[in-house]
Amino acid sequence: DIQMTQSPSSLSASVGDRVTITCRASQSISIYLNWYQQKPGKAPNLLIYAASSLHSGVPSRFSGSGSGTDFTLTISSLQPEDFATYYCQQSYSIPWTFGQGTKVDIK
Amino acid sequence: EVQLVESGGGLVQPGGSLRLSCAASGFTVGGNYMSWVRQAPGKGLEWVSLIYSGGNTDYADSVKGRFTISRDISKNTLSLQMNSLRPEDTAVYYCARGYCSGGSCYLGLDIWGQGTMVTVSS
Repeated sequence: DIQMTQSPSSLSASVGDRVTITCRASQSISIYLNWYQQKPGKAPNLLIYAASSLHSGVPSRFSGSGSGTDFTLTISSLQPEDFATYYCQQSYSIPWTFGQGTKVDIK
Repeated sequence: EVQLVESGGGLVQPGGSLRLSCAASGFTVGGNYMSWVRQAPGKGLEWVSLIYSGGNTDYADSVKGRFTISRDISKNTLSLQMNSLRPEDTAVYYCARGYCSGGSCYLGLDIWGQGTMVTVSS
């Protein structure tokens, strides 16, 4: 199975900050890397697919990059509605696997 | 409106069975790959099962041989039959639609239901 490791596990940031979350795969997954946002008590929402493609309706302050084993999710200017938990997920091979999550909270 | 609505969760004893359903609207389950993902209380997301548009299926090792994913095209629903349930199966179960773009698939899950809670306890 491909292991997905996110860092950090949590971070505190202020509105307007630039936030970067990294995700590392235990083997190459090409660009089959997706990012989700989840708020408490809600289902996840797809933000980024194929490592760097912005899903429809997602604000342009979100961006993704990377290929192979190392990936990054960046929020260019953190907004109040962005405080949530973020997960990466590989869809390169079965079983699909998620990172452990990164919780972004208010500083 | 494109949406998924799960039902069928509840409290079940270890060793028991439960069947989850997921009703789709605004698209056809038969024309998409569909998945179940679960989340134990306070924990992260765990992929459970996948049914491809052609009908083939895949499972996480943790549920293989105990869970069965299926779909009813006439009713436009997805199901998850869960047998031999264990306390570690306790979780919110989400059904989700697979995302395809530009002729490529396996690009994540773009539509999710609200989730249904399954509790396995005596």
